[in-house]
Amino acid sequence: AQSVAQPEDQVNVAEGNPLTVKCTYSVSGNPYLFWYVQYPNRGLQFLLKYITGDNLVKGSYGFEAEFNKSQTSFHLKKPSALVSDSALYFCAVRDGAGNKLTFGGGTRVLVKP
Amino acid sequence: DAGVIQSPRHEVTEMGQEVTLRCKPISGHDYLFWYRQTMMRGLELLIYFNNNVPIDDSGMPEDRFSAKMPNASFSTLKIQPSEPRDSAVYFCASSLGDRGHREYFGEGSWLTVV
Repeated sequence: AQSVAQPEDQVNVAEGNPLTVKCTYSVSGNPYLFWYVQYPNRGLQFLLKYITGDNLVKGSYGFEAEFNKSQTSFHLKKPSALVSDSALYFCAVRDGAGNKLTFGGGTRVLVKP
Repeated sequence: DAGVIQSPRHEVTEMGQEVTLRCKPISGHDYLFWYRQTMMRGLELLIYFNNNVPIDDSGMPEDRFSAKMPNASFSTLKIQPSEPRDSAVYFCASSLGDRGHREYFGEGSWLTVV
């Protein structure tokens, strides 16, 4: 069975500093990896995905993520965080066999001015 | 496109009542997903459809929950009878094509059962 772990419930960072949100996964076969963001009282919004190819994926709002097969990780990064990046971030994985998307528990990001 | 449309946005109901949540996917999308989000359990996939056919309903918690997709532009999630532990945010999402495609989420239906 596929699974996703987001080891940090919350990440605090000062505005302008780099932001990293960690994600590790477990699937059989090649993974399809996704990051979504959820703002208060809203649905999930897509940030980026990794399917194949370059291990560094660039997405919306200046976010990027690095796929590391040996460490089974897909950490989300942003070089310079904004207060408006404060939200709940979800990592998700889909294996190569089906269409079921499994989400991690989410990491709350708080960017302080 | 208007995106995935869910209704109602908020519902408060009494225990034992029937609850029906509605979803209109993005036109042309062939996959539709129902999720439930709670503080305790996070985001859980309840059921998903492909071309209006239920593919995986292993996440449906119990027989009180049922979902239908009578056509490509409409789906319902029904809870009968409702219980306080069903209080959650229910999301509908749709996607186009195979597993490499992203899912588009609605704004959610916030259900409170008292």
